[in-house]
Amino acid sequence: GAVVSQHPSRVICKSGTSVKIECRSLDFQATTMFWYRQFPKQSLMLMATSNEGSKATYEQGVEKDKFLINHASLTLSTLTVTSAHPEDSSFYICSARDTSGDRFTTEQYFGPGTRLTVT
Amino acid sequence: QKEVEQDPGPLSVPEGAIVSLNCTYSNSAFQYFMWYRQYSRKGPELLMYTYSSGNKEDGRFTAQVDKSSKYISLFIRDSQPSDSATYLCAMSRNFNKFYFGSGTKLNVKP
Repeated sequence: GAVVSQHPSRVICKSGTSVKIECRSLDFQATTMFWYRQFPKQSLMLMATSNEGSKATYEQGVEKDKFLINHASLTLSTLTVTSAHPEDSSFYICSARDTSGDRFTTEQYFGPGTRLTVT
Repeated sequence: QKEVEQDPGPLSVPEGAIVSLNCTYSNSAFQYFMWYRQYSRKGPELLMYTYSSGNKEDGRFTAQVDKSSKYISLFIRDSQPSDSATYLCAMSRNFNKFYFGSGTKLNVKP
């Protein structure tokens, strides 16, 4: 199956600093990528939909100035958590939809996630 | 009310048992129903996908959707210790946004 990678897998940062998380589709092109946040024992919550070459669409309640998303190429989307605070500590997961047209188009391929801890 | 409700478990069963996992939902507009498996510290992987009501079988896994009751199920036959994971249901109106359940943690004891 298609592979999505995330980097870093784990990051610890101090309050007030910014952290960038990368999401890459390794063997397919993805015009659309999704960013989720998952708190312990809770469901994945969609934060934003990232479209290559255009502005991301943020879900209600997600601050776009705090969670900066850039989807500069068909294989890379980045999420930057700016001025991170302890309440931003969470598991951040990206997913990508293969839009080549010759695959099961409903499937979102998920990355392994990034564990962010803000101290 | 959450869009999707799922019992978090944990659910513990002996090896070989039949496992039943369920989700309920409130939005009658959902048409696409998915089940994902998530191992600890990993991203979810798609197990089954169903469109509208009905059953779908894939090996030891069977997915059922009852739209009239807004209820979906995943059955695992002959459960194995390797099936131990968190199972997430997800649903969507049109693939632009997926709504996930909170996940049910399953432990299959050898």
